[in-house]
Amino acid sequence: SQQGEEDPQALSIQEGENATMNCSYKTSINNLQWYRQNSGRGLVHLILIRSNEREKHSGRLRVTLDTSKKSSSLLITASRAADTASYFCATSSGNTPLVFGKGTRLSVIA
Amino acid sequence: DTAVSQTPKYLVTQMGNDKSIKCEQNLGHDTMYWYKQDSKKFLKIMFSYNNKELIINETVPNRFSPKSPDKAHLNLHINSLELGDSAVYFCASSQSVQGSGEQYFGPGTRLTVT
Repeated sequence: SQQGEEDPQALSIQEGENATMNCSYKTSINNLQWYRQNSGRGLVHLILIRSNEREKHSGRLRVTLDTSKKSSSLLITASRAADTASYFCATSSGNTPLVFGKGTRLSVIA
Repeated sequence: DTAVSQTPKYLVTQMGNDKSIKCEQNLGHDTMYWYKQDSKKFLKIMFSYNNKELIINETVPNRFSPKSPDKAHLNLHINSLELGDSAVYFCASSQSVQGSGEQYFGPGTRLTVT
């Protein structure tokens, strides 16, 4: 069964605003990863957060993980038009393969 | 240099035909994957190979047969294509065996079955 569920399904913001996407999952995990997919392209790995970590930063990206709530959030600060893409969370559990959510479609309007 | 490449990028074919998609990675990774992304953007693992050995085979019809001639290549052959096979197929690779690490994706192959 599907592990990660992103929320919202779609998000539209103005350039310069912050964008927050959430991911909920069902079972215990080894790590949680966020990927970006531009239209017509493959997925690009953004950030990986391990189950014993609570927060991680990479440039304008901030990821949090709350294992007690089985949820994660991805914050993109000072968004740009180039951030327009779909964002997926993916969970790693035990020896099972990565399981991807359905993604959040982010539109950043210039 | 392209890390994970796939050919062809687009594939349009008729029901009943047999087709192949090729994938190559130049990252030196030991593990390669095939994913299917449907029209709703849901991405699902199909196969995983580690060092030419099949390690994951999700519930995929046996019309789909992966072949790994060496650890840098993982090709996907599909027999007797059906309308429901229309999707975007992504190849990916990673250093870790169990798929727990970062994965690198190819650009995708959009398969349309008419």
